[in-house]
Amino acid sequence: DIVMTQSPDSLAVSLGERATINCKSSQSVLYSTNNRNYLAWYQHKPGQPPKLLVYWASTRESGVPDRFSGSGSGTDFTLTISSLQAEDVAVYYCQQYYNTPPTFGQGTKLEIK
Amino acid sequence: QVQLQESGPGLVKPSETLSLTCTVSGASISSYYWSWIRQPPGKGLEWIGYISYSGSTNYNPSLKSRVTMSLDTSKNQFSLKLSSVTAADTAVYYCASHASGLSWFDPWGQGTLVTVSS
Repeated sequence: DIVMTQSPDSLAVSLGERATINCKSSQSVLYSTNNRNYLAWYQHKPGQPPKLLVYWASTRESGVPDRFSGSGSGTDFTLTISSLQAEDVAVYYCQQYYNTPPTFGQGTKLEIK
Repeated sequence: QVQLQESGPGLVKPSETLSLTCTVSGASISSYYWSWIRQPPGKGLEWIGYISYSGSTNYNPSLKSRVTMSLDTSKNQFSLKLSSVTAADTAVYYCASHASGLSWFDPWGQGTLVTVSS
């Protein structure tokens, strides 16, 4: 299985400031044939299902605010929230879908400082 | 839009079989792929497996010996059975949709808590 490791485990950021969450895969999730990274990001709030934010590592899902952006390639990826809003408090997960079984990172808890 | 809703018993006894159903609205289960994902209390997300529109299945090797998934096209539902459960199977169980065998998951159901206890 591909192991996904996120850092940090938790993060406290002031409102309006930038939040950065990292995700590292134990092997590359870049498929050379189509040059796509098979990586997604989710936002998970208590009592709600996870919400898809980003797929193909950097494609924002429709309706997701543009303050959310994904970057990276190969084994190292980043989710950036450019200006933290109160409603962004949640746990964030990365997920690889390069091979089966699809696996998730352990999650990063984002709070307001 | 596509909506999913899990249903089933919230309490299952050890050694028995956990059975859940996901009802899909806004799309036909004869299209797409349909997964089950779980989250034990205080832990991360674990993919259990999927069943495709054609009925083919792919299970997580860690659970494969205990998992069975099926489709009911007449009710636009798909189901999960997990046998020989233990306390370690206590989790929130989500159903989710995806466009291909290896893909991101979207949308997800609200999730249902299943507790394994005598």
